[in-house]
Amino acid sequence: QKEVEQNSGPLSVPEGAIASLNCTYSDRGSQSFFWYRQYSGKSPELIMSIYSNGDKEDGRFTAQLNKASQYVSLLIRDSQPSDSATYLCAVNSGSSNTGKLIFGQGTTLQVKP
Amino acid sequence: NAGVTQTPKFQVLKTGQSMTLQCAQDMNHNSMYWYRQDPGMGLRLIYYSASEGTTDKGEVPNGYNVSRLNKREFSLRLESAAPSQTSVYFCASGRTGLYGYTFGSGTRLTVV
Repeated sequence: QKEVEQNSGPLSVPEGAIASLNCTYSDRGSQSFFWYRQYSGKSPELIMSIYSNGDKEDGRFTAQLNKASQYVSLLIRDSQPSDSATYLCAVNSGSSNTGKLIFGQGTTLQVKP
Repeated sequence: NAGVTQTPKFQVLKTGQSMTLQCAQDMNHNSMYWYRQDPGMGLRLIYYSASEGTTDKGEVPNGYNVSRLNKREFSLRLESAAPSQTSVYFCASGRTGLYGYTFGSGTRLTVV
């Protein structure tokens, strides 16, 4: 079983719709969770972090965390063509405080005008 | 500009050649990391340094060595390059604990 799992997609949504990206993780000791956005040929960019159960909103982005179900999600409201990218879920390696992150394979999002 | 700087951006090596990828950060972060990214494999941790003077293996360390030269610099060395090491390499830095990373712009390495 992979430590962090994401559907590779592509996930295709029309402009203006809500895009929902999902991630599951295996380490129950994980304490911090991140979403990175990676445009083709570029490096990953941190867009959201979440540490507690529930929702965290930042502009058009909402991260959701459910530790009991070991599930993290990212909602993008009013999706724009510029949101087209690969979204990487990352989870802190819960066995230490070294800050190691384990990444999922990423979900490719396509927003169609 | 503040951030993580990687050099070179592109490199082609012949099998058996050696090279060092350089990484420097100016954000006063304690921890630094080297990842490789391959299609369908995601980002995989090669080595990391939780603090100056310490280094540890990650998920895929074979064929690589690292040096944490000082708090700012963390280099990755390929002693004898193999085609399986063709990949995009990312350096990242962050505070220890529970915070995310800042990534460098990456090095695209091809071994022929």
